[in-house]
Amino acid sequence: SQKIEQNSEALNIQEGKTATLTCNYTNYSPAYLQWYRQDPGRGPVFLLLIRENEKEKRKERLKVTFDTTLKQSLFHITASQPADSATYLCALVGYGGSQGNLIFGKGTKLSVKP
Amino acid sequence: EADIYQTPRYLVIGTGKKITLECSQTMGHDKMYWYQQDPGMELHLIHYSYGVNSTEKGDLSSESTVSRIRTEHFPLTLESARPSHTSQYLCASRQTWGETQYFGPGTRLLVL
Repeated sequence: SQKIEQNSEALNIQEGKTATLTCNYTNYSPAYLQWYRQDPGRGPVFLLLIRENEKEKRKERLKVTFDTTLKQSLFHITASQPADSATYLCALVGYGGSQGNLIFGKGTKLSVKP
Repeated sequence: EADIYQTPRYLVIGTGKKITLECSQTMGHDKMYWYQQDPGMELHLIHYSYGVNSTEKGDLSSESTVSRIRTEHFPLTLESARPSHTSQYLCASRQTWGETQYFGPGTRLLVL
């Protein structure tokens, strides 16, 4: 079955630095991959989507890369701020029994210290 | 902010009670979803619907049931709540041909 691994449960960085979060997947070749932000006690909020034929996508201070050979996506937040502190989830569309439905990773909890 | 609403936001209830978690969206989305999420864990899909009168079970087995009588409404029911049902329940929706999912704020359920 498809598996998503966000291999850092938590990431602590200093304000102003670039945060880099990793998402690896196995047993699948997704047409696209998404990143969501989740604050405590809230539902996830969509941030960015990157397709299999796109190497990189940017939105303001956010950048996502997608390497289908490595089966990996990297999510970068440049010039990080304490307000960026949250859990970031990687998601891809499943196949088979999960066809068309999103499968989520456990997330990486980012803490940005002033 | 997405136009998807969940009530109640918090619920503390005794074992054996019947409960219904409400979810409504005003975006006209055909696809709706229920996820269960425990602290620090990934979201698990428990039910989904592709439109009115369509409901399917998700990847995670759940004792809950759902209905979809109206496009905008997708309630989840537990006939007899148990402590093992304690969790956060998240509702989401998306357009038929859309890729982005919009989530509600969630219902945090505690069964004593």
